[in-house]
Amino acid sequence: ETGVTQSPTHLIKTRGQQVTLRCSSQSGHNTVSWYQQALGQGPQFIFQYYREEENGRGNFPPRFSGLQFPNYSSELNVNALELDDSALYLCASSSLAGGLDTQYFGPGTRLTVL
Amino acid sequence: EDKVVQSPLSLVVHEGDTVTLNCSYEVTNFRSLLWYKQEKKAPTFLFMLTSSGIEKKSGRLSSILDKKELSSILNITATQTGDSAIYLCAGGSGGSNYKLTFGKGTLLTVNP
Repeated sequence: ETGVTQSPTHLIKTRGQQVTLRCSSQSGHNTVSWYQQALGQGPQFIFQYYREEENGRGNFPPRFSGLQFPNYSSELNVNALELDDSALYLCASSSLAGGLDTQYFGPGTRLTVL
Repeated sequence: EDKVVQSPLSLVVHEGDTVTLNCSYEVTNFRSLLWYKQEKKAPTFLFMLTSSGIEKKSGRLSSILDKKELSSILNITATQTGDSAIYLCAGGSGGSNYKLTFGKGTLLTVNP
């Protein structure tokens, strides 16, 4: 177990709604990255937060937004949900200081959009 | 656009067999190659490779990186049913905004 926690475990929403997913990073880690994993696919990078600032973004629209708090925990917000947003959302924490580091994943939040 | 391709996409073997999983990558500002095992939800870290030609081992698992060929392999010897999982390969890129680009994974099924 990595010490990265996510909540909630499962979530069901309807199209057009908004959702907030939460992630607590592993102790000593100051960086959180978010990934979307659709069924049968590998995780896709959404964005990364370092020291409360967005530090890199993948190919996702602006309705995907995030926050990082002083304790390094993080939120992923998705507005105007679409059916294709149904996926497993993974967060990964690492200790980034401009260099390499292993990213350790949480158990994920399974989002279903009806 | 960064790309990671894994092969095969799925594999069925019997306990005791040896398997080799392949990963090729095209990643700008490449920094590292990582392997993860995903059984239910959270991918669990196996290896990080940064130098070409150096094998990393952990028990029955081993991996090697070929920077010239932009590829990596993951070997599992004497497979067990507990090795059944999706194995994900990821290329790490960037400087201060280091990120991972994942392949689709290889679904390994080990039958008793």
